[in-house]
Amino acid sequence: AQSVSQHNHHVILSEAASLELGCNYSYGGTVNLFWYVQYPGQHLQLLLKYFSGDPLVKGIKGFEAEFIKSKFSFNLRKPSVQWSDTAEYFCAVNSGNNRLAFGKGNQVVVIP
Amino acid sequence: NAGVTQTPKFQVLKTGQSMTLQCAQDMNHEYMSWYRQDPGMGLRLIHYSVGAGITDQGEVPNGYNVSRSTTEDFPLRLLSAAPSQTSVYFCASSYSADLRTEAFFGQGTRLTVV
Repeated sequence: AQSVSQHNHHVILSEAASLELGCNYSYGGTVNLFWYVQYPGQHLQLLLKYFSGDPLVKGIKGFEAEFIKSKFSFNLRKPSVQWSDTAEYFCAVNSGNNRLAFGKGNQVVVIP
Repeated sequence: NAGVTQTPKFQVLKTGQSMTLQCAQDMNHEYMSWYRQDPGMGLRLIHYSVGAGITDQGEVPNGYNVSRSTTEDFPLRLLSAAPSQTSVYFCASSYSADLRTEAFFGQGTRLTVV
């Protein structure tokens, strides 16, 4: 079964700092990769996704992620965070078995 | 366009009671699923459906039943509630069962079993 690993569950940083969240998955075949965000008290929303093509994908609100096949990774980045980026971020992977597997999430707190 | 609608938003149950969490989508999506979200555990798949009349188990199916009699609705039934089922439950839908499209989530149901 596919598994998804996210490290550094709790991240605290100041506004304007750069953010990078790691995501590693276990499946070696073709994968579809996603990052979702959950703002406090809200449901999950899609940040960005990767299916094929350019391994650097850009999403909403200035987020981007890079797919590195050799490292089984799909790390999320934002060069300069804002207070409004305080949220929980989830990496998700689908390997074609009708299932979307989520990582345990990164709780990000941005201090004004 | 309502998207994915879950009811109720909050529920308190006594151990042993049964209940149904409702989920409806108005986007004609093929794929629907139920997750539970627990602190530090992320989202874990309970059951999913790739179309009306077709359901399958996810990662943590024990204690839950589902059915998919229509494309729009995908209710989750707790047969005999246990404190371990205290969680936040999310329903999600996707246009395609191959999951190459975005999953849309409901607002969640916060369930407490006492």
